[in-house]
Amino acid sequence: AQKITQTQPGMFVQEKEAVTLDCTYDTSDPSYGLFWYKQPSSGEMIFLIYQGSYDQQNATEGRYSLNFQKARKSANLVISASQLGDSAMYFCAMREKGGNTGKLIFGQGTTLQVKP
Amino acid sequence: DAGITQSPRHKVTETGTPVTLRCHQTENHRYMYWYRQDPGHGLRLIHYSYGVKDTDKGEVSDGYSVSRSKTEDFLLTLESATSSQTSVYFCAFRGQNTGELFFGEGSRLTVL
Repeated sequence: AQKITQTQPGMFVQEKEAVTLDCTYDTSDPSYGLFWYKQPSSGEMIFLIYQGSYDQQNATEGRYSLNFQKARKSANLVISASQLGDSAMYFCAMREKGGNTGKLIFGQGTTLQVKP
Repeated sequence: DAGITQSPRHKVTETGTPVTLRCHQTENHRYMYWYRQDPGHGLRLIHYSYGVKDTDKGEVSDGYSVSRSKTEDFLLTLESATSSQTSVYFCAFRGQNTGELFFGEGSRLTVL
């Protein structure tokens, strides 16, 4: 069965430092997509970054990059130069097998706190 | 503005009463989804729709029904609410680019 695992319930990082949020996944489908979302304390879900299973390069979006290690089935989110506004919960997600439906399965989330 | 709104945003109800949550999108998206968010579980899919009158179950569909009579509206109904359905409910549509989901603001439901 497809599964997403985020093993870090909570993390701290000093402002201006980089931080890595871990995500591992399990699927037997050779074609899949991986996503990261941010949920600040206000509650909305904000899409951050996407990685396709056939993409040759790691995805980047501004200060966000996705460290995609296909053989290890990991899709870690790297946030560079952390800012106080990065304090939030972060969810890793994978597009399910039979991707035409667009359904995503989510990990349990990691709460990140940025210290000044 | 992602073009998707949910109503009501907050609701308190009693066990056994029916509840309907509404999701409205303005951009003619075909695929729409209802998720619930609970501590320790992330987001779990309740139902989804792939067109008008076309819906299917997700991971946690028991106790919920949905309807989509128009492209822009996707309704989630709890026929007889239970305390275990206390949660935050998110509606979403599928984007055109990489298939990312765009979420509404969420509806917080408390069943007493």
